[in-house]
Amino acid sequence: SQQGEEDPQALSIQEGENATMNCSYKTSINNLQWYRQNSGRGLVHLILIRSNEREKHSGRLRVTLDTSKKSSSLLITASRAADTASYFCATVYRTNDYKLSFGAGTTVTVRA
Amino acid sequence: KAGVTQTPRYLIKTRGQQVTLSCSPISGHRSVSWYQQTPGQGLQFLFEYFSETQRNKGNFPGRFSGRQFSNSRSEMNVSTLELGDSALYLCASSLERASGSADFGPGTRLTVT
Repeated sequence: SQQGEEDPQALSIQEGENATMNCSYKTSINNLQWYRQNSGRGLVHLILIRSNEREKHSGRLRVTLDTSKKSSSLLITASRAADTASYFCATVYRTNDYKLSFGAGTTVTVRA
Repeated sequence: KAGVTQTPRYLIKTRGQQVTLSCSPISGHRSVSWYQQTPGQGLQFLFEYFSETQRNKGNFPGRFSGRQFSNSRSEMNVSTLELGDSALYLCASSLERASGSADFGPGTRLTVT
C-alpha cells in the first residue's frame, strides 16, 4: 500500500489555469520528491525538496513542504496540454534509506 | 546521455512460469532499484542493488529476486508467476547510494494469464 496520500485523485483544468495537488505523509522524512508519469510509462523526476526547506521552484513548478503538518503541495502554473499526466509524490524517510515511498498519485487532465 | 533501458518492454506469461526482466542503468550509475506498479497497490519498492549486493528489500515474497552484475546492469526474476504479478515493473538508477532523485526506465509491462 502507498505510504502517502495525494489529493485530489483526479483534476481536470483548462489550458492556462493553475493546477495544485497535495501530498500527505506519515512519519518524519529526509526529503520529498515529485515525479510525473505519462500514460503508464516511466517516471520523470520533477523536483526534490529537503526536510529543512520550505519552498522550491523549477520553471512553472512550485513545491512547498510543511513538516509540521507532514504535507507538501505541487503547483503547476499556466498549465499546458503536455502537462496531462499522473503526478506522484515520493518520500525518503532516512538519510541512508535509498527507497522511494510513493503516494497514490493525482491524475491531471489539461483541456485545450 | 542515454537513459535507463529495460527489456523486454512487454511480456505475456502463464501462471506458474517464471520471468526475468533486465535493466541497464545510466552509464556511471551504480545503484539500481526496482518498483512494481499496479492499479490496486500503486508503486511499491521491490529491492535496491549497489555494488552487486542487495542493500534494501521491500515487502514481497521470496518468489521475487534480483541481482546486479559488475557493469551495474540488473535483472529481476519472478518465479511461479501468479495473476497478481501482472504489473508494470520499473527500474530506477542513481549515481550513488544517495537519498536523492532517481532516473526511471520506461518499464516492462508483464501480463500473467
